[in-house]
Amino acid sequence: EPEVTQTPSHQVTQMGQEVILRCVPISNHLYFYWYRQILGQKVEFLVSFYNNEISEKSEIFDDQFSVERPDGSNFTLKIRSTKLEDSAMYFCASGADYSPLHFGNGTRLTVT
Amino acid sequence: QKEVEQNSGPLSVPEGAIASLNCTYSDRGSQSFFWYRQYSGKSPELIMSIYSNGDKEDGRFTAQLNKASQYVSLLIRDSQPSDSATYLCAGRPRNSGGYQKVTFGTGTKLQVIP
Repeated sequence: EPEVTQTPSHQVTQMGQEVILRCVPISNHLYFYWYRQILGQKVEFLVSFYNNEISEKSEIFDDQFSVERPDGSNFTLKIRSTKLEDSAMYFCASGADYSPLHFGNGTRLTVT
Repeated sequence: QKEVEQNSGPLSVPEGAIASLNCTYSDRGSQSFFWYRQYSGKSPELIMSIYSNGDKEDGRFTAQLNKASQYVSLLIRDSQPSDSATYLCAGRPRNSGGYQKVTFGTGTKLQVIP
């Protein structure tokens, strides 16, 4: 069964550094998403991406965040200057028209 | 205003019993609903999707949707210890676009006691 792949599984970075989280969505899906989950809290929407542009973003997704689909397979989330409060699990998801979202295994980001 | 609400639990049931998980939503225009299971430290895993009023069964799982009362439920029959996890209810607003985000509740932790 096709799956969403995320790398790395765990990323440790120092405050103020830039990180790039990578995702390979399911190949025939058109819609891509990033969610995050702070330890013990709910899964929160960050951004959705369709047709090579952001279709919706939450208030969490401020100027320090950006997304890109640099080629036909990868989908990335960049955090420009990480803060301690960015420590969380980041999940990539993809979907087809009106279908459920399929999630990757996540990247645990630890900012020290 | 919370969009999807769940009782955080924990909900404890004995092995073999029926577990009943409930969820309410505030957006009357929501069209699609999903139940995900999340083990500790893992990603959400889709269990069921439901789009119309009534019941939908898949193996030991039954999802129920009542749009008039704005609630969604998940029944797990013959609960097993391996069902112990957090169950996330999620909704998608009115279908103005196939890319519409899915909004999650806080999740209900289920414990199945052997």
